[in-house]
Amino acid sequence: EAGVTQFPSHSVIEKGQTVTLRCDPISGHDNLYWYRRVMGKEIKFLLHFVKESKQDESGMPNNRFLAERTGGTYSTLKVQPAELEDSGVYFCASSHDRVSYSGNTIYFGEGSWLTVV
Amino acid sequence: DQQVKQNSPSLSVQEGRISILNCDYTNSMFDYFLWYKKYPAEGPTFLISISSIKDKNEDGRFTVFLNKSAKHLSLHIVPSQPGDSAVYFCAASKSAGAGSYQLTFGKGTKLSVIP
Repeated sequence: EAGVTQFPSHSVIEKGQTVTLRCDPISGHDNLYWYRRVMGKEIKFLLHFVKESKQDESGMPNNRFLAERTGGTYSTLKVQPAELEDSGVYFCASSHDRVSYSGNTIYFGEGSWLTVV
Repeated sequence: DQQVKQNSPSLSVQEGRISILNCDYTNSMFDYFLWYKKYPAEGPTFLISISSIKDKNEDGRFTVFLNKSAKHLSLHIVPSQPGDSAVYFCAASKSAGAGSYQLTFGKGTKLSVIP
């Protein structure tokens, strides 16, 4: 079974440009999450989709970030315009249900490394 | 303000010995705790979890202990193997209500197991 896949794996863009990150969750997982790790900091929650609906976007840093999940399958995270402090690794994750349910867990992708110069 | 804290950025242990990684949390609403392991250039992978109704959960060489009164948990790896060298993240969640699908992570502890 394929895991969570993310594209691109690495991206270097100039300040002010736009970048779009893509995530394909594990097939059948209704829950999709975006997390971010900025250098030296902890991994932080950005938002949570259930199918195509945003359930929780409390972690989105500002309105330069836009996440979509059209059709409830893959998701995109767009940063426009990118700022230097947006540099970091963006993880996508998916799960069948909430983590506290027995046997359930959140599966992470390998991450998309973003460098804004 | 960090709600999950891993105060040791790194830990070195001899192969075959016990590795103990510690984690503290401040939010009393957290009632489910997880440990994730991360190799370079990979995403975090689930290792072991514990619910607040338990104080210990064991899976092979890995045991997680939870002390609710102290808001402290620890991961024990016995015996430690070179392949265990990675960054270990402590994470917490709520089992119900707002934020119950969200993980709150610590900054991680880099474990190096020396052959």
